[in-house]
Amino acid sequence: EDQVTQSPEALRLQEGESSSLNCSYTVSGLRGLFWYRQDPGKGPEFLFTLYSAGEEKEKERLKATLTKKESFLHITAPKPEDSATYLCAVQGVNTGNQFYFGTGTSLTVIP
Amino acid sequence: EAQVTQNPRYLITVTGKKLTVTCSQNMNHEYMSWYRQDPGLGLRQIYYSMNVEVTDKGDVPEGYKVSRKEKRNFPLILESPSPNQTSLYFCASSTGQGFNSPLHFGNGTRLTVT
Repeated sequence: EDQVTQSPEALRLQEGESSSLNCSYTVSGLRGLFWYRQDPGKGPEFLFTLYSAGEEKEKERLKATLTKKESFLHITAPKPEDSATYLCAVQGVNTGNQFYFGTGTSLTVIP
Repeated sequence: EAQVTQNPRYLITVTGKKLTVTCSQNMNHEYMSWYRQDPGLGLRQIYYSMNVEVTDKGDVPEGYKVSRKEKRNFPLILESPSPNQTSLYFCASSTGQGFNSPLHFGNGTRLTVT
């Protein structure tokens, strides 16, 4: 069964203090790995899709990377507005078009 | 503006009273899906639809029904709600029948069943 584990559950950073969030996955044939941002009271908002090991995507202070077993979301010099829950999801070849989500990392950036 | 719209945003009901949560998207997406989000369990898929009149079960379909009579609408029906269906529900849509394409989510419906 496809599984996704995210760590840490919660992370508090000072403004400007860079860090990384982890998403470990087990899937029989990765079709795609997706990162989302979720703000309180809102639905998840799409950030990145990664398809193969070695791939990297960047957007402002965020950079997502992918290996065969895990993905990292690197946050460089975060700002308070980066505070949110970050979700990771995978789609596997054997599970068709179903998405499997991790439980997320709650990020708080303190001014 | 491209969006997925869910209604209502908040709903409090009693056990056994049938309810419907509506979902509509204006992006002409083929794929639509319903999720529930519970603390410590993450987002779990209830049902999905790859196109009009095509629906299939996700991981937690018990106690729910769906229909897809039009491309833009995908209502979630709880015929006899129970307290264990208290949760935050999200509707989502995607292009290309859901393969390799990111999901676009609505803003959620918080359901409380007493």
